Amino acid sequence: DTAVSQTPKYLVTQMGNDKSIKCEQNLGHDTMYWYKQDSKKFLKIMFSYNNKELIINETVPNRFSPKSPDKAHLNLHINSLELGDSAVYFCASRGTATYEQYFGPGTRLTVT
Amino acid sequence: QKEVEQNSGPLSVPEGAIASLNCTYSDRGSQSFFWYRQYSGKSPELIMSIYSNGDKEDGRFTAQLNKASQYVSLLIRDSQPSDSATYLCAVSGLTGGSQGNLIFGKGTKLSVKP
Repeated sequence: DTAVSQTPKYLVTQMGNDKSIKCEQNLGHDTMYWYKQDSKKFLKIMFSYNNKELIINETVPNRFSPKSPDKAHLNLHINSLELGDSAVYFCASRGTATYEQYFGPGTRLTVT
Repeated sequence: QKEVEQNSGPLSVPEGAIASLNCTYSDRGSQSFFWYRQYSGKSPELIMSIYSNGDKEDGRFTAQLNKASQYVSLLIRDSQPSDSATYLCAVSGLTGGSQGNLIFGKGTKLSVKP
């Protein structure tokens, strides 16, 4: 029944490692997003994908790369992790009729 | 730079009172406005959307929009301790690649005291 799901929920890793976060939505939505919420709780968009095509790409380091195998999935791959990457990452999706976005449960990434 | 401003709070109200949360935005052409509730350690949950000037009511929640003043508010009537959370205001981008892109404020932390 989960509309937007993410795995893993928690991710603890060391600097320099490469990691991926997976996102899936079963709402039939066309657009999916990745957000980063920092320690001050500020929620900022990183990427969005519409029909497997990147349509916006905010100023994030190119160590971050979104990958969408199909309309229902948008994964986030991060290379060479840095301490400053520690945050909660949220996946979201929306349909075409409105701009309402629905969020996944989040992945708390801790880089040590 | 498009911005959404909120008072970070904390806003403390007694149980049963009306909580009033405010938000201003800089992009005059914005068309869609949203309120999300985020409990500590949880994800943002959409509670209200509003697209035209005036009031929109849903249960104990009322969203108010004034595009001329670039102002959005959320009223919570009969506040309950379970309403204690951070409330995020979000505004949709206008055109092109940013259409549908939400810009969030930093949130107002609400505390409802029993």
